[in-house]
Amino acid sequence: NAGVTQTPKFQVLKTGQSMTLQCAQDMNHEYMSWYRQDPGMGLRLIHYSVGAGITDQGEVPNGYNVSRSTTEDFPLRLLSAAPSQTSVYFCASSYLAINEQFFGPGTRLTVL
Amino acid sequence: AQTVTQSQPEMSVQEAETVTLSCTYDTSENNYYLFWYKQPPSRQMILVIRQEAYKQQNATENRFSVNFQKAAKSFSLKISDSQLGDTAMYFCAFMKHGEIKAAGNKLTFGGGTRVLVKP
Repeated sequence: NAGVTQTPKFQVLKTGQSMTLQCAQDMNHEYMSWYRQDPGMGLRLIHYSVGAGITDQGEVPNGYNVSRSTTEDFPLRLLSAAPSQTSVYFCASSYLAINEQFFGPGTRLTVL
Repeated sequence: AQTVTQSQPEMSVQEAETVTLSCTYDTSENNYYLFWYKQPPSRQMILVIRQEAYKQQNATENRFSVNFQKAAKSFSLKISDSQLGDTAMYFCAFMKHGEIKAAGNKLTFGGGTRVLVKP
């Protein structure tokens, strides 16, 4: 098993550009989520999904879109990048809500 | 809403000694889960230990153990026989139970404690 994979590992954007952060898991997990990690702060939930076709907002959803067309994939879209979105982004998955979450290696995003 | 507080931004410990990280949380829930995650320089988030609130017995995983005080809403992590590989950021996290679908998988994280193990 590859576990949770994220691409790219690093990305630099200009203000106003759009992009998609990819996340995939091969563990047949129902639950997937996106977090952002900023210096001095813990991870904050952006969006999450409880299964294919079902998504919901987390703590800091503004400026981000998600979709879940398959169990395996959960991409995060930045619609119009802003410097405030400079952060490290983590994708996570779990079999059930109460199980441990498996995290991907993260994507470091810089918006100039 | 739940909040998780880690009051120690940074701690250092000599190799082979013991260090205890503190975590407090605020919730009105009765059924929930608490976690400690480790984040080494590689940035990967690794689950260290998990505690179910309905269990009175403190969880242990090899050199890692917790002191769970439900009434005090405290969940400290003890690292025994510290090793150089324990150097990392450690995050305390909370997840409420509720119905599985309704709860989703929302983890609420504390701000983290940086642990440095010195040789």
